Amino acid sequence: GAGVSQTPSNKVTEKGKYVELRCDPISGHTALYWYRQSLGQGPEFLIYFQGTGAADDSGLPNDRFFAVRPEGSVSTLKIQRTERGDSAVYLCASSLGFWGGGNQPQHFGDGTRLSIL
Amino acid sequence: DAKTTQPPSMDCAEGRAANLPCNHSTISGNEYVYWYRQIHSQGPQYIIHGLKNNETNEMASLIITEDRKSSTLILPHATLRDTAVYYCIAPGAGGTSYGKLTFGQGTILTVHP
Repeated sequence: GAGVSQTPSNKVTEKGKYVELRCDPISGHTALYWYRQSLGQGPEFLIYFQGTGAADDSGLPNDRFFAVRPEGSVSTLKIQRTERGDSAVYLCASSLGFWGGGNQPQHFGDGTRLSIL
Repeated sequence: DAKTTQPPSMDCAEGRAANLPCNHSTISGNEYVYWYRQIHSQGPQYIIHGLKNNETNEMASLIITEDRKSSTLILPHATLRDTAVYYCIAPGAGGTSYGKLTFGQGTILTVHP
């Protein structure tokens, strides 16, 4: 079946620009997560949605980062006034239902590689 | 999240079993242990998870010690395509860590011919 899909796979833009990254979760998965991975590091949590609402956004680095999931399926991560330090791979994952004590594994897409020039 | 400790790197010959250890001595009674791996330029791939009992699926086996302070991921017949970074994660069972995975540095497994 179809896995988590992320578009675009690569994005190059200039410092100061606005970018949107899209995530299509696995059909039927109500939980959706965004992570960011810098070179040589493990993924770092950004935000978690249960349905349409952000249940935990504690990982967003600052107010330039924002994410939405208006219909409880597709999610968009938005970055305003991009900086060179925002360059990373942005990963999306989805899972069945709430994490629920750890019985629902997250399934990841292959990410969007964002490069800020 | 319970802190996990893994060796930074391991080698394995193709066709042999790869045994990847993980220490999670601060794990609480209702926290699961999850294993993911990441091959270069791909997203993390879920492998297996468990709570108390040993688990096996088509990819691997997970052996959890009786005191739950450590576990071992076993790839029974490693292939070159199993070369990857392997992450052992014990996400929190409640509180603010609910819903998020905290990735450490993982173990770089290299399978050689």
